[in-house]
Amino acid sequence: GEDVEQSLFLSVREGDSSVINCTYTDSSSTYLYWYKQEPGAGLQLLTYIFSNMDMKQDQRLTVLLNKKDKHLSLRIADTQTGDSAIYFCAESRDTDKLIFGTGTRLQVFP
Amino acid sequence: EPEVTQTPSHQVTQMGQEVILRCVPISNHLYFYWYRQILGQKVEFLVSFYNNEISEKSEIFDDQFSVERPDGSNFTLKIRSTKLEDSAMYFCASGDRAPWAQYFGPGTRLLVL
Repeated sequence: GEDVEQSLFLSVREGDSSVINCTYTDSSSTYLYWYKQEPGAGLQLLTYIFSNMDMKQDQRLTVLLNKKDKHLSLRIADTQTGDSAIYFCAESRDTDKLIFGTGTRLQVFP
Repeated sequence: EPEVTQTPSHQVTQMGQEVILRCVPISNHLYFYWYRQILGQKVEFLVSFYNNEISEKSEIFDDQFSVERPDGSNFTLKIRSTKLEDSAMYFCASGDRAPWAQYFGPGTRLLVL
């Protein structure tokens, strides 16, 4: 089946690390993505990881993939108030279609 | 940095009317997509388009929906006879398949009354 799940909310203090988690059900996923949506804006592609990778780092962002547990996480180091947004994980399989999670609302407080 | 643009940003229409949502993908991209997000729900895939034809469509994309690339820059989604349940945010995306990343526009919020 097609199911990508995320927790709904995460609240962190400015300067701390944030970890947003995602689980998916289909082991044939080829690429996994993280998108950011700020209020009133579209979906901004943050990063992606190919399914044969375990980790990818891009500046303050670290993506970890546990393929055995079908678990994907996004770590944001030194979280800033500008990081407050909804974060979506998504997967693709052997087609172009992206399957999105429910989104996690990250709130950063001073 | 190049980006996907969409017009209009908001559209209000009466049930049964036709609407056309417009998108200008990133210029060197060859793959085009429409997604929608009903308020409070997940982003859902509607259709993908490549080489002037639909490459994949979801169950949502029934005969009331159509897509077109009328010229070298625009990509449109038409809903022939809108229903109340078509009210949603509609996102256009484009990609170059390197590596299958899809870049989204800001969306058109459609409200059907």
